[in-house]
Amino acid sequence: GAVVSQHPSRVICKSGTSVKIECRSLDFQATTMFWYRQFPKQSLMLMATSNEGSKATYEQGVEKDKFLINHASLTLSTLTVTSAHPEDSSFYICSGLSGELNNYGYTFGSGTRLTVV
Amino acid sequence: GEDVEQSLFLSVREGDSSVINCTYTDSSSTYLYWYKQEPGAGLQLLTYIFSNMDMKQDQRLTVLLNKKDKHLSLRIADTQTGDSAIYFCAESLRSSASKIIFGSGTRLSIRP
Repeated sequence: GAVVSQHPSRVICKSGTSVKIECRSLDFQATTMFWYRQFPKQSLMLMATSNEGSKATYEQGVEKDKFLINHASLTLSTLTVTSAHPEDSSFYICSGLSGELNNYGYTFGSGTRLTVV
Repeated sequence: GEDVEQSLFLSVREGDSSVINCTYTDSSSTYLYWYKQEPGAGLQLLTYIFSNMDMKQDQRLTVLLNKKDKHLSLRIADTQTGDSAIYFCAESLRSSASKIIFGSGTRLSIRP
C-alpha cells in the first residue's frame, strides 16, 4: 500500500535554530501534501496544504514565514520550522494525497516530535 | 462551521464490543473516516464510509452513519488489548476540496 516516510521521528533543537522535517511518498506520487500539528492529548490541526510545484496555502493563524513548506517534487515535501521557540514544541505529521487514490487516499507519515529547548 | 466532536475517553473490558461515537456539523461531507493513532505514531486509516451509505462492515469493525442526525459510530467487536489507542473521526468536505477535519479523538483503554 501507499507509504509516506517521515524523518526525523524525534528532534531536539536549541531556541533560535531551524529544523527541517521531510516527508517522502515511497510508492505513489503525492500531488498534495498536508501538514498537521498535534498538541498533547489534542486533535490534529491543519497547518497548510501544498501542491507540487506551487506555493503552500496556510491556514488562518499559521505564520508562513515561520513554517516554510516546500513541495518541489511529487515525492518530497519539507517543513522547516525557522527560529524555533519552545512553544513550537509539538508533534508534526504530514499526509500525502494522490489523485490516483481518490478521496480516501490520505496516507500519513509516522510523525515528528519536535522539542525546542 | 466545520466541527467534529467526540467523547474523550472510553474504557471497555477485553472481549466486549467498543462503540465510539462522533457527531459532525457540515452536511456537505463526502467521506467520513476513522483513524487509529498509537502512542507516538502517525495515523492509520481504519475504515471510511461514503456519505450516501448507512453502514459498512470490515471484519471486526462496523461503521454506522446517520446522515440525518450527522452521527457516525465505530463499533469494534471482541476488543483486544492491541486496540488500545486514540481513535479519530474525520470528515472530508465537498466545500473544501481534499481538506479533512478531525475530531478531538477518543482514547480507548482496555481493562482485563
